[in-house]
Amino acid sequence: KQEVTQIPAALSVPEGENLVLNCSFTDSAIYNLQWFRQDPGKGLTSLLLIQSSQREQTSGRLNASLDKSSGRSTLYIAASQPGDSATYLCAVGGFQKLVFGTGTRLLVSP
Amino acid sequence: DTGVSQNPRHKITKRGQNVTFRCDPISEHNRLYWYRQTLGQGPEFLTYFQNEAQLEKSRLLSDRFSAERPKGSFSTLEIQRTEQGDSAMYLCASSLGQGTDNEQFFGPGTRLTVL
Repeated sequence: KQEVTQIPAALSVPEGENLVLNCSFTDSAIYNLQWFRQDPGKGLTSLLLIQSSQREQTSGRLNASLDKSSGRSTLYIAASQPGDSATYLCAVGGFQKLVFGTGTRLLVSP
Repeated sequence: DTGVSQNPRHKITKRGQNVTFRCDPISEHNRLYWYRQTLGQGPEFLTYFQNEAQLEKSRLLSDRFSAERPKGSFSTLEIQRTEQGDSAMYLCASSLGQGTDNEQFFGPGTRLTVL
């Protein structure tokens, strides 16, 4: 059974800092990995999808890496802004479904 | 708006009542998923459709839950005889289903409160 863990559970940083969110998973037989953002009481916004054959994906200030053999992914956020404050969820994709971690709650203070 | 839509956005009901939620996926997406999210947790998979066929159901989906996608377009999730433990955010997602490039796009969710 796939298990996904995200560390840290919460993170508070001042504006402008670069930061790294971590995701680990127990079964390396994955199709892909998605990073999502969730604002309080809202649905999920897809940030990045990394296919199992890829090592990283970039979108703007976001960069996500994937190391299947070690069961790890990181989400790097450059030059953080208060608008980045949200919960970030990592989800590992099997053939049909996503298995989610419990998220990292990020607060970026001005 | 061409994203995934869900209705209603909020539902308050009394224990024992039946409720039904609707999801409209992104047009042309052949895969549709339902997830449930409780406070402080990540979403948990409930069920999955490819076109109109329901291909997988989680053990979380007790016999009080039923989902349909009759014409391969919108889907409904019904909960019968609701219990307080059913209180959660119910999320719908859709995708094109292109192998490892199977990016799922989520709707805004339906928040259910069972009193």
